[in-house]
Amino acid sequence: EIVLTQSPGTLSLSPGEGATLSCRASQSVSSSYLAWYQQKPGQAPRLLIYGASTRATGIPDRFSGSGSGTDFTLTISRLEPEDFAVYYCQQYGSSPRTFGQGTKLEIK
Amino acid sequence: QVHLVESGGGLVKPGGSLRLSCAASGFTFSDYYMTWIRQAPGKGLEWVSYISSSSTYTNYADSVKGRFTVSRDNAKNSLYLQMNSLRAEDTAVYYCARSAAADYWGQGTLVTVSS
Repeated sequence: EIVLTQSPGTLSLSPGEGATLSCRASQSVSSSYLAWYQQKPGQAPRLLIYGASTRATGIPDRFSGSGSGTDFTLTISRLEPEDFAVYYCQQYGSSPRTFGQGTKLEIK
Repeated sequence: QVHLVESGGGLVKPGGSLRLSCAASGFTFSDYYMTWIRQAPGKGLEWVSYISSSSTYTNYADSVKGRFTVSRDNAKNSLYLQMNSLRAEDTAVYYCARSAAADYWGQGTLVTVSS
């Protein structure tokens, strides 16, 4: 099983700042099958990035994903008030398809 | 537009069973892998199971293997999760989602396992 470790656990930033979220895998993620999701309280998660770097439909270009192998990054440039949420990474290249524990992005 | 609606959740005693359903619309259901993901109260996301488009392949998290069974009926655009021998730790909101990288999610259905 591939274990995904996200850091930091909580990130406190102000609107307008940039955010960098990390996801590290215990083994190489097959074919960069790595996704990022955003979840707000009381809502289902929303897909942001798939294939490590491809934005999902309707996702603003201030969200970008990068990385390969075991190290992946979600970058949010110029934080908007609606971006404060919990973010999860997930690998879907091998079974079981695991999630990271999440990074909470909170307003400073 | 893509729409996924889960149903079938509720309160069940330990050792009991439930069958969750997910009704899909707005896309060609038979073309897509489908996934079940759950979230215990106040916790993170946990992948549960997937099923391939024609039901040829299924896979399960170790935590549910042997107790849960995923199935689908492409004629009815529906996905199912049969959950047996339920435990307290199965208490969660259960989401169905389209595809391996879950690009669309339902609103979830709450399963509570408690005596």
